[in-house]
Amino acid sequence: AQSVSQHNHHVILSEAASLELGCNYSYGGTVNLFWYVQYPGQHLQLLLKYFSGDPLVKGIKGFEAEFIKSKFSFNLRKPSVQWSDTAEYFCAVNILTGGGNKLTFGTGTQLKVEL
Amino acid sequence: DGGITQSPKYLFRKEGQNVTLSCEQNLNHDAMYWYRQDPGQGLRLIYYSQIVNDFQKGDIAEGYSVSREKKESFPLTVTSAQKNPTAFYLCASSIDGGTGTYYGYTFGSGTRLTVV
Repeated sequence: AQSVSQHNHHVILSEAASLELGCNYSYGGTVNLFWYVQYPGQHLQLLLKYFSGDPLVKGIKGFEAEFIKSKFSFNLRKPSVQWSDTAEYFCAVNILTGGGNKLTFGTGTQLKVEL
Repeated sequence: DGGITQSPKYLFRKEGQNVTLSCEQNLNHDAMYWYRQDPGQGLRLIYYSQIVNDFQKGDIAEGYSVSREKKESFPLTVTSAQKNPTAFYLCASSIDGGTGTYYGYTFGSGTRLTVV
């Protein structure tokens, strides 16, 4: 079965610091990749997604992610974080097998941005 | 506004009781999903349904049951057989099971179930 690994479980940064959250998946075929964010007390929201084409995808709120197929990675980045980015971030993978769509999520990374 | 409604927001259950969590969507989405969220474990798929009257087990289906009699409704029953039911339960939907993930999932606000 496919799996998704997020190696950073808790990250603490100061405002204006750069952010990179790691995401690796274990499947050699075609995948769709997602990053979701869950702000305190709010719904899960889609940050960005990759389906095909340019491996560098841009999402909302200044986030971007790069798909590196050879490394099975889809790391999330932001050049300068803000206090309002404090949230939990989830990487998710959908494997295109024709057997129906279902996302497999990573364990999440709790980001705390300090003023 | 279209969206997913989960109810109740908080639910307390006595050991040995079955409880049913409600999930209703008015997005006209074909596919619906139930996930369980535990600290440090992310979201794990319990059941999913791509069309009415059809559903499949996810990764952690034991102790749970679902039904999909209507397109807009996908209730989840947590049975007494579920050994560790205390968790946060999230319902989601997507446009269809075949290509819906292109648009991502829409999530409900969740139900927090506590066994007392």
